[in-house]
Amino acid sequence: EAGVTQFPSHSVIEKGQTVTLRCDPISGHDNLYWYRRVMGKEIKFLLHFVKESKQDESGMPNNRFLAERTGGTYSTLKVQPAELEDSGVYFCASSQVWGANSPLHFGNGTRLTVT
Amino acid sequence: DAKTTQPPSMDCAEGRAANLPCNHSTISGNEYVYWYRQIHSQGPQYIIHGLKNNETNEMASLIITEDRKSSTLILPHATLRDTAVYYCIVRIQGAQKLVFGQGTRLTINP
Repeated sequence: EAGVTQFPSHSVIEKGQTVTLRCDPISGHDNLYWYRRVMGKEIKFLLHFVKESKQDESGMPNNRFLAERTGGTYSTLKVQPAELEDSGVYFCASSQVWGANSPLHFGNGTRLTVT
Repeated sequence: DAKTTQPPSMDCAEGRAANLPCNHSTISGNEYVYWYRQIHSQGPQYIIHGLKNNETNEMASLIITEDRKSSTLILPHATLRDTAVYYCIVRIQGAQKLVFGQGTRLTINP
């Protein structure tokens, strides 16, 4: 079974540019999550999809971030326009069913550097 | 989610059992204890989770005290590849997200 895959693995962009990160969850997983770690800080939750619906977006830092999951399969996270403080590693995770007994499985992340 | 307390760092000799403690004194009856680890430059890796009973899988064992206020993750025969940051997380029923803390940086020494 393929794990959670993220693309690209690295991205370097200039301040003010736009970047789109992609996440492919484990096949059949309805729940998809985005997390990020900025330099020196803890891994922080951004948002949670159930199929194509946003269930919890309480962690989204501001309106420069837009997450989509059209069709309930893969998801994209767009940052527009990017700022220096957006640099960090963005992780995607998926889980099979709703409930605290269903583990999240993470991808290896996209390392975003904004210069 | 209940707050967890872990030592910031630990060392263990290769081939020995690594025992990582976690305190979660405010845990509620419907909160699960999860363990993840993050090896440098990789995403968090699920290890094990439990509610009340001790659990074992191919990676580790999870020992939860009877009062559920603390737990221990046991890696039975640590290898150099087990060097990572280990996170103990409590997760409430109905709350999907995981809340990561600082974790324990475990170093396995040859």
